[in-house]
Amino acid sequence: QKEVEQDPGPLSVPEGAIVSLNCTYSNSAFQYFMWYRQYSRKGPELLMYTYSSGNKEDGRFTAQVDKSSKYISLFIRDSQPSDSATYLCAMSGHSGGSNYKLTFGKGTLLTVNP
Amino acid sequence: EPEVTQTPSHQVTQMGQEVILRCVPISNHLYFYWYRQILGQKVEFLVSFYNNEISEKSEIFDDQFSVERPDGSNFTLKIRSTKLEDSAMYFCASTGQGGNQPQHFGDGTRLSIL
Repeated sequence: QKEVEQDPGPLSVPEGAIVSLNCTYSNSAFQYFMWYRQYSRKGPELLMYTYSSGNKEDGRFTAQVDKSSKYISLFIRDSQPSDSATYLCAMSGHSGGSNYKLTFGKGTLLTVNP
Repeated sequence: EPEVTQTPSHQVTQMGQEVILRCVPISNHLYFYWYRQILGQKVEFLVSFYNNEISEKSEIFDDQFSVERPDGSNFTLKIRSTKLEDSAMYFCASTGQGGNQPQHFGDGTRLSIL
């Protein structure tokens, strides 16, 4: 079983739609969960950062973490064409040292059509 | 907003040659990372660096690779005797006090081995 699984899409939605992006993971040591946005030929740009289970909202973006199900989600409300990008989930754990390396999903390519 | 900067943006090198990829992390950050992304694949962890030494490395990071922080601002990745399969995007990331803080990425160096 892969450590982090993410549906690569592609996902195409009309402007204004609600977008739901998801990742599942197998490593129960993961405690920190991130969503990054990556435009073509650019580096990952941090969108959301959460610790442990729960919800976090920032403007049109909401991140949810369900550690019991090993499932994380990112919701985008009122999606805009400028949201068109690849969305990467990433996570890390702390195993008593300085092990904060990120494990990424493969990314979901999102296109928001005007 | 402070950002991680990487140079060059694109490096083309003959197989067998050595390359040095350069990164300037965010100025007050203490933890530094290199990741790579082969075209169409996940972003993969290579190495983490803290307090002037490697804190963790992946199995990809073999004797061909080395990292260095030669001064107070730069962080470099050296690849000796490059191979065709080293062709990828290489991303530098940094994070601040407490390695569990979110990692901020540069825009990467696209390495092409001919």
